[in-house]
Amino acid sequence: DAKTTQPNSMESNEEEPVHLPCNHSTISGTDYIHWYRQLPSQGPEYVIHGLTSNVNNRMASLAIAEDRKSSTLILHRATLRDAAVYYCILRDHSGGGTSYGKLTFGQGTILTVHP
Amino acid sequence: GAGVSQSPSNKVTEKGKDVELRCDPISGHTALYWYRQSLGQGLEFLIYFQGNSAPDKSGLPSDRFSAERTGGSVSTLTIQRTQQEDSAVYLCASSLDGNRYGYTFGSGTRLTVV
Repeated sequence: DAKTTQPNSMESNEEEPVHLPCNHSTISGTDYIHWYRQLPSQGPEYVIHGLTSNVNNRMASLAIAEDRKSSTLILHRATLRDAAVYYCILRDHSGGGTSYGKLTFGQGTILTVHP
Repeated sequence: GAGVSQSPSNKVTEKGKDVELRCDPISGHTALYWYRQSLGQGLEFLIYFQGNSAPDKSGLPSDRFSAERTGGSVSTLTIQRTQQEDSAVYLCASSLDGNRYGYTFGSGTRLTVV
């Protein structure tokens, strides 16, 4: 399975933007980039996913490099409730790859938000 | 229901006993997954169901673990002869088709084997 690399931890101040990076140099053409987050004592929560173009939703934006070897999750204004572990995951959507159908979680980035 | 429901939310069992954990996915979601998370650790994939296809059992840690999904809806994860190392939070997730859409996770079952 193609792997992702994320910083172990990042810090931000409340109401400031946060850019969470993810490297995935071995990404294949059929891999989508998924982001999930896990708040303390809760199950993971879907944030966003994309293939090639940048994506926006009510929670965040996903900026994907032109060569797709890296991506950045953008929280436009961090709040204390955004403190969580953020996971960047590649998911094969082709139906033929070994990773098809399941998300493989790495260690993620622990985001701390300071008041 | 509106979300993925798991029961019980907490389970304490004695070593050697069998336990059953239940997951009610979102209605209409064809894909269902079980993960577990030990204290302070990442998520470990256990098993994946997609429609009527044979489940992907590649993550089950031993033959003491098994799972069923009846009628394409409710799933039960069974752990036989529980061991202390089985203590973890067991998380269930469902997805509309297991491919293009995100997953919705339940709140999990915290299993403690004493």
